[in-house]
Amino acid sequence: EVQLVESGGGLVKPGGSLRLSCAASGFTFSSYNMHWVRQAPGKGLEWVACINSGNYIFYADSMKGRFTISRDNAKDSLYLQMNSLRAEDTAVYYCVRDSSGYYLFDYWGQGTLVTVSS
Amino acid sequence: EIVLTQSPATLSLSPGERATLSCRASQSISSYLAWYQQKPGQAPRLLIYDASHRATGIPARFSGSGSGTDFTLTISSLEPEDFAVYYCQQRSNSLTFGGGTKVEIK
Repeated sequence: EVQLVESGGGLVKPGGSLRLSCAASGFTFSSYNMHWVRQAPGKGLEWVACINSGNYIFYADSMKGRFTISRDNAKDSLYLQMNSLRAEDTAVYYCVRDSSGYYLFDYWGQGTLVTVSS
Repeated sequence: EIVLTQSPATLSLSPGERATLSCRASQSISSYLAWYQQKPGQAPRLLIYDASHRATGIPARFSGSGSGTDFTLTISSLEPEDFAVYYCQQRSNSLTFGGGTKVEIK
């Protein structure tokens, strides 16, 4: 069974940093593109970043420069380093598996809440 | 950035009725459009990909159509478990989602 379990969310002050982690299991992690997708409270979905199986990385334009996605295939883990956080970054952050490299989202974690507030 | 506009924002229908949801892209995305369903407190679920292909395990009452800039998700006869928020997503140029359509019980 595919499982994605996020951790690392919490309350952080504006300008602060946070590192999210996602532990994957039930599939060959190294073979899949992985994404972060976020959802602000009561709002829609927003794609954040992707790291593909070959470690090529791309970001949504609004995330470039502040967020860094990375992976550790030996640990079956995905990460998101978030710096210079703003109130508008408050959201549930989902770790998402890509469906066989087609940039579709087939398995989602339950999400971790990041709250940016003073 | 390709903008996806979903309409209506809210659709009020009764079980058994037909639901028609629209997603319009700001420029042509060929057939690179997917639909997701999200229920309260849950992560989204992939329903349709490449405009008209049902994902694994998705009931036949869900169907998608369209190409270019105009797309439709149709639920032929609403079941109680279909009341949820639906999002479209394009993968033609980067990745973006629409703002969502909430299908609520009338």
